[in-house]
Amino acid sequence: GDSVTQMEGPVTLSEEAFLTINCTYTATGYPSLFWYVQYPGEGLQLLLKATKADDKGSNKGFEATYRKETTSFHLEKGSVQVSDSAVYFCALSDILNTGNQFYFGTGTSLTVIP
Amino acid sequence: EAGVAQSPRYKIIEKRQSVAFWCNPISGHATLYWYQQILGQGPKLLIQFQNNGVVDDSQLPKDRFSAERLKGVDSTLKIQPAKLEDSAVYLCASSFYRGNTEAFFGQGTRLTVV
Repeated sequence: GDSVTQMEGPVTLSEEAFLTINCTYTATGYPSLFWYVQYPGEGLQLLLKATKADDKGSNKGFEATYRKETTSFHLEKGSVQVSDSAVYFCALSDILNTGNQFYFGTGTSLTVIP
Repeated sequence: EAGVAQSPRYKIIEKRQSVAFWCNPISGHATLYWYQQILGQGPKLLIQFQNNGVVDDSQLPKDRFSAERLKGVDSTLKIQPAKLEDSAVYLCASSFYRGNTEAFFGQGTRLTVV
């Protein structure tokens, strides 16, 4: 079945460091891919998405490219800020095969120190 | 646009008691999801509704959990009787069932069973 494997954390970085969080997926169809962010005590917020191969999603300085050949959707940011400290979840959904059910990774906790 | 509304935000109950959570999705969203998020883990789907019909409830512990969406709008998730391992955040989400659109999440209900 469909699934998402996400880089384990926690990850601790200094402010302005480069961030990469790895995500790979398994899917039978042609899923859409998402990154969600969860701040302490809050629900999940969509950070970015990509709906087909080679699409790049971007938002707030974060980017991720949908790589079908490597079944990956790695999250990157060139210069992290303290305010980026949160838990990041990679997810996929495939409306054709699983009726738009969302599958989430286990999450990667990011702490950015000044 | 109003987001997904959930209540209550927090609930503490004793084991074997019952509890109910309420969710009002974004207006016009046909698909509604209930997820369980245990501390340190990614969200796990409990049940998915399309309008007032159940699409997937394969991971819902039906001996103690029940959910309904009677008029295809708001939804209630109930646990009766609760167990210690039900302590988690219960997230409600909704999406517009046209293509692989993102799911929008509420802030969640944090349940503690003592």
